Amino acid sequence: DTGVSQDPRHKITKRGQNVTFRCDPISEHNRLYWYRQTLGQGPEFLTYFQNEAQLEKSRLLSDRFSAERPKGSFSTLEIQRTEQGDSAMYLCASSLWGAPEAFFGQGTRLTVV
Amino acid sequence: TQLLEQSPQFLSIQEGENLTVYCNSSSVFSSLQWYRQEPGEGPVLLVTVVTGGEVKKLKRLTFQFGDARKDSSLHITAAQPGDTGLYLCAGAGNAGKSTFGDGTTLTVKP
Repeated sequence: DTGVSQDPRHKITKRGQNVTFRCDPISEHNRLYWYRQTLGQGPEFLTYFQNEAQLEKSRLLSDRFSAERPKGSFSTLEIQRTEQGDSAMYLCASSLWGAPEAFFGQGTRLTVV
Repeated sequence: TQLLEQSPQFLSIQEGENLTVYCNSSSVFSSLQWYRQEPGEGPVLLVTVVTGGEVKKLKRLTFQFGDARKDSSLHITAAQPGDTGLYLCAGAGNAGKSTFGDGTTLTVKP
């Protein structure tokens, strides 16, 4: 296992379409995080899971966003009815419970046209 | 809301120069991480500091955590073009999620 893997790396979609991103964490990590990053800003927290339980969601996560981690391994982030303001880099990170640091994937760059 | 402010926002220097970037907050963090990010890629972890006053060295990079665990600095000695990138600090709270600053964009010219 070489690290956190995200797929796809890039996604261009038309406004109003639904998109889904996948994240495969480091295999022994039980915590998984989703962040969003726009140009010129640091990553902003969206949500996190401990095993399969979604423990916290940011108010940034509108009802068009949903995340799952069905078996406590990989996670998906779905955005419904995409808007131009959703254009951003979506980052996934994972960590061990109790460890202070998280390790990031390479991100999925979403462009809504 | 915990906020982290990083300064300077942009820094452009010549190869061989030294530099320091700062990460400040009014909140106390249980730990603080520094990451480096290149365009189009995810952040790569450089270091974690946990104890107030802690100093960690990673080759030419020196990281310091403030005594009150509210601030941190990153000092680079003899900067090289390969050091170019976005340097992000992140404060970890008790829930494990991190609060990020907006980063310092460093450009090292050969």
